[in-house]
Amino acid sequence: EAGVTQFPSHSVIEKGQTVTLRCDPISGHDNLYWYRRVMGKEIKFLLHFVKESKQDESGMPNNRFLAERTGGTYSTLKVQPAELEDSGVYFCASSQLNNSPLHFGNGTRLTVT
Amino acid sequence: RKEVEQDPGPFNVPEGATVAFNCTYSNSASQSFFWYRQDCRKEPKLLMSVYSSGNEDGRFTAQLNRASQYISLLIRDSKLSDSATYLCVVRWSGNTGKLIFGQGTTLQVKP
Repeated sequence: EAGVTQFPSHSVIEKGQTVTLRCDPISGHDNLYWYRRVMGKEIKFLLHFVKESKQDESGMPNNRFLAERTGGTYSTLKVQPAELEDSGVYFCASSQLNNSPLHFGNGTRLTVT
Repeated sequence: RKEVEQDPGPFNVPEGATVAFNCTYSNSASQSFFWYRQDCRKEPKLLMSVYSSGNEDGRFTAQLNRASQYISLLIRDSKLSDSATYLCVVRWSGNTGKLIFGQGTTLQVKP
């Protein structure tokens, strides 16, 4: 079974640019989550999809972040325009049920300079 | 107060030692509890769920005290390969399944 895959693994962009992160969950997992870890802090929840619907987006920092999951398969997280404080590791996770253990992808390490 | 608190360590122990990590959580309505392990520059991976009665998986034992809102992880006979960051993770009841992470406790097992 293929795990959760994320692309790219690393991204270095300049302040003001746009970046789009992609996550492919485990096949058949309706629940997809985005999390972020900034330097020195704990991993924090960003949002949760059930299929193509946003179930909870309470963790999204501001309107520069836009997440989509068209068709209920893969998801994208776009940051536009990027700021220095957006640097960190962005993890995607998926689960079959919303109370099942989460399976994490390898993460995308984003550096904004 | 953080929602999930852990001693960040690092804990430096010799091979074969027994080490214990503690964690407290602030939301009494928390529903599920987990320990995840994260290796350097890798994703978190589920180590074990934590049940009210306590549970064991090989050298790892997890305990939950709901009254004190306290979770623990005991590692016996430490191996070099146990070196990692251990994340205490809580899922609140009534929410969508999102997890609340502690900052993690770093363990370094020395030969």
